[in-house]
Amino acid sequence: DAGITQSPRHKVTETGTPVTLRCHQTENHRYMYWYRQDPGHGLRLIHYSYGVKDTDKGEVSDGYSVSRSKTEDFLLTLESATSSQTSVYFCAIRTAGNSYEQYFGPGTRLTVT
Amino acid sequence: GENVEQHPSTLSVQEGDSAVIKCTYSDSASNYFPWYKQELGKGPQLIIDIRSNVGEKKDQRIAVTLNKTAKHFSLHITETQPEDSAVYFCAAANTGNQFYFGTGTSLTVIP
Repeated sequence: DAGITQSPRHKVTETGTPVTLRCHQTENHRYMYWYRQDPGHGLRLIHYSYGVKDTDKGEVSDGYSVSRSKTEDFLLTLESATSSQTSVYFCAIRTAGNSYEQYFGPGTRLTVT
Repeated sequence: GENVEQHPSTLSVQEGDSAVIKCTYSDSASNYFPWYKQELGKGPQLIIDIRSNVGEKKDQRIAVTLNKTAKHFSLHITETQPEDSAVYFCAAANTGNQFYFGTGTSLTVIP
């Protein structure tokens, strides 16, 4: 499982509230990613990080922000959750060097009511 | 950006038969094509990948083929077993930062 944990694993929140999801890795990987998975859309990249304090946007970044103050933690924040952000969120790491291999965490199911 | 299309969306095969899942991509700059298997309630698991400088790669019962000219790649599973039942995703990437996924194929292997 590449030493990836996500917390919480399940969360129900109300529209308009802030939410932070955490991804933690134990193997010192430089690259980390946040995806959302929705029926009919596969996985879509929200944001990624290529080092501490180095992040960039993916294809569905609107409404999300990220932070990475330590190598092992990558946080995804929904500043004001909306029902359209109800989804399953996956964190992933990429192995080093020229390898593009990605390994995923177990996911967080978020429901915004 | 890249657009990855995956077919079929569902596939049922008898145990022991072969299964083939196909993907097309739009960006000729894409050079890395992984396949993932996702079981219910779990994260996707990398099962095989191929780079653009290779036409075919095999790992036991799983193989992937790539046709750069036509911009399509396929996953082949031979001698299918019930434990192969899962959702399979293809993806394409260029720099290794932006990965674009297909919409998934739900494979059912009938014992």
